[in-house]
Amino acid sequence: NAGVTQTPKFQVLKTGQSMTLQCAQDMNHNSMYWYRQDPGMGLRLIYYSASEGTTDKGEVPNGYNVSRLNKREFSLRLESAAPSQTSVYFCASEVGGLTEAFFGQGTRLTVV
Amino acid sequence: GENVEQHPSTLSVQEGDSAVIKCTYSDSASNYFPWYKQELGKRPQLIIDIRSNVGEKKDQRIAVTLNKTAKHFSLHITETQPEDSAVYFCAAIHFGNEKLTFGTGTRLTIIP
Repeated sequence: NAGVTQTPKFQVLKTGQSMTLQCAQDMNHNSMYWYRQDPGMGLRLIYYSASEGTTDKGEVPNGYNVSRLNKREFSLRLESAAPSQTSVYFCASEVGGLTEAFFGQGTRLTVV
Repeated sequence: GENVEQHPSTLSVQEGDSAVIKCTYSDSASNYFPWYKQELGKRPQLIIDIRSNVGEKKDQRIAVTLNKTAKHFSLHITETQPEDSAVYFCAAIHFGNEKLTFGTGTRLTIIP
């Protein structure tokens, strides 16, 4: 039982490059989330998915797209990376009944 | 949408003293309020939570109180220890919305 697994752990991109952050959970959770964490800004919600087949925008969705590929996987795509997207990204999942959210180990992304 | 404000942003207390972190929320429909602890370089992890039908909940040295009328909730840590040093996040969500919104975090430092 691995919990929530994110890949990669670290990534450096050049401005304008694209990439996809992968997230998978093996807890049969319905809800999945993508957050970014910046100093002094807390955890800001980018996108979330309440169930397989649905996605909704969070607080800071601009510049990102998501795919809920199946119940296990929720990916985050940066189509054209910008320095403002330099951050630590966390994926999380929760069963869907107002219970504990479990986080992945995070992806530290630097855009130069 | 939900807006969660958290204060203070930094807090230093002497070892053995108590620490209090306060949060307010805007959505009166929110009914689940978790607190997460994030140690340096690690992922956030749940330490305690409270639902709207309860006014207070304790777990050893930590407790959370909820005032639904005023729309605020607080984390109390007693007999603080060096291992309590971390960043603490409050959050709010209501069933049917599935949008887990976090506060901006409090960096707690325990002074030996």
